[in-house]
Amino acid sequence: DAKTTQPTSMDCAEGRAANLPCNHSTISGNEYVYWYRQIHSQGPQYIIHGLKNNETNEMASLIITEDRKSSTLILPHATLRDTAVYYCIVSTYGGSQGNLIFGKGTKLSVKP
Amino acid sequence: SQTIHQWPATLVQPVGSPLSLECTVEGTSNPNLYWYRQAAGRGLQLLFYSVGIGQISSEVPQNLSASRPQDRQFILSSKKLLLSDSGFYLCAARDSSNQPQHFGDGTRLSIL
Repeated sequence: DAKTTQPTSMDCAEGRAANLPCNHSTISGNEYVYWYRQIHSQGPQYIIHGLKNNETNEMASLIITEDRKSSTLILPHATLRDTAVYYCIVSTYGGSQGNLIFGKGTKLSVKP
Repeated sequence: SQTIHQWPATLVQPVGSPLSLECTVEGTSNPNLYWYRQAAGRGLQLLFYSVGIGQISSEVPQNLSASRPQDRQFILSSKKLLLSDSGFYLCAARDSSNQPQHFGDGTRLSIL
């Protein structure tokens, strides 16, 4: 079973920030938080990951709470092309497996 | 950066026929490789992973097998397909330098 909890769906207006929450209250000290998204009929696309500190790249920002029990993915200016299912996953970074356990994710709909 | 090639993109096969799906990776060496399946309306399920040539670990008992004949080649096979083998098959790779997993565009398999 996935070790994260996400809302089933969210709407966002085009051009506004999309804030996608994720709860991972049982996260262990060596587990990272990963975010992927899947546009219909395509493979999952890696977005961002982090351990403790907030992270930012060209796609998004990741805000992790101090106790690491939850995080928020922020798409600063959502576009229609950001409509997708967003997956929050916790997993160890290293090790020989590094397997990802995907839950049901959040279906984000960006509306004009 | 690594590129993951999967083919074919779509495949329709009769029940009882054999299967061979190929995944090749460019831009990296000695990657960890993964096969996932996504059934209609469901999340991704890890089927197999490999940490090196000839090394295959199976996550779930099933009608499928995997092989890694070369460092950057991962093959998913079946001797006799079942209706329940229908789904979206995704290959993923993770660089040995501990980068996140990246996915191919998948093969959509329909069994008739």
